[in-house]
Amino acid sequence: EDQVTQSPEALRLQEGESSSLNCSYTVSGLRGLFWYRQDPGKGPEFLFTLYSAGEEKEKERLKATLTKKESFLHITAPKPEDSATYLCAVLRGAGNMLTFGGGTRLMVKP
Amino acid sequence: GAGVSQSPRYKVAKRGQDVALRCDPISGHVSLFWYQQALGQGPEFLTYFQNEAQLDKSGLPSDRFFAERPEGSVSTLKIQRTQQEDSAVYLCASSVDSHNYGYTFGSGTRLTVV
Repeated sequence: EDQVTQSPEALRLQEGESSSLNCSYTVSGLRGLFWYRQDPGKGPEFLFTLYSAGEEKEKERLKATLTKKESFLHITAPKPEDSATYLCAVLRGAGNMLTFGGGTRLMVKP
Repeated sequence: GAGVSQSPRYKVAKRGQDVALRCDPISGHVSLFWYQQALGQGPEFLTYFQNEAQLDKSGLPSDRFFAERPEGSVSTLKIQRTQQEDSAVYLCASSVDSHNYGYTFGSGTRLTVV
């Protein structure tokens, strides 16, 4: 059975304090790993798709990396507006459904 | 429209009542998905449409849940005889085609069953 586990569940950072969020997955036939950001009361907002081990993608203060077992979302010098829940999800097999992890709730204090 | 629109934003239903949740996807988007998100959890897949065809409904939790997209545009998720465990946020997402998985999500409908 596919498993996607995110850690930590919650993370408090001071503004400017860089850190990483982890997404571990157990799937066969991975077709892609996705990162989303979700603000309270909103739907998830697409950030990145990674397709193969070794791939990296960047957007502003965020960088996502992928290995055969896990993905990291690195946040460099975060700002309070980066506070949100970050979700990862995997796509596998022939279907089109994403399997999401439980999310990491990030709080960045000024 | 510019984004995925869902209505109503909030719905309170008495246990046993039927509810209908609406999703207006981005114009021209072929693929449409419904997800259920419990408080503090990640979204869980319910069902998938490509145009008007429902290609996967493996995530629907019971036969009380039914989804349709008759003209390949607007979709409705119907829940019959609601139960307390149905309380959740129901998210709709669309993508331009079946190979583009950077879905655009709507803001969801928060269903509370009392």
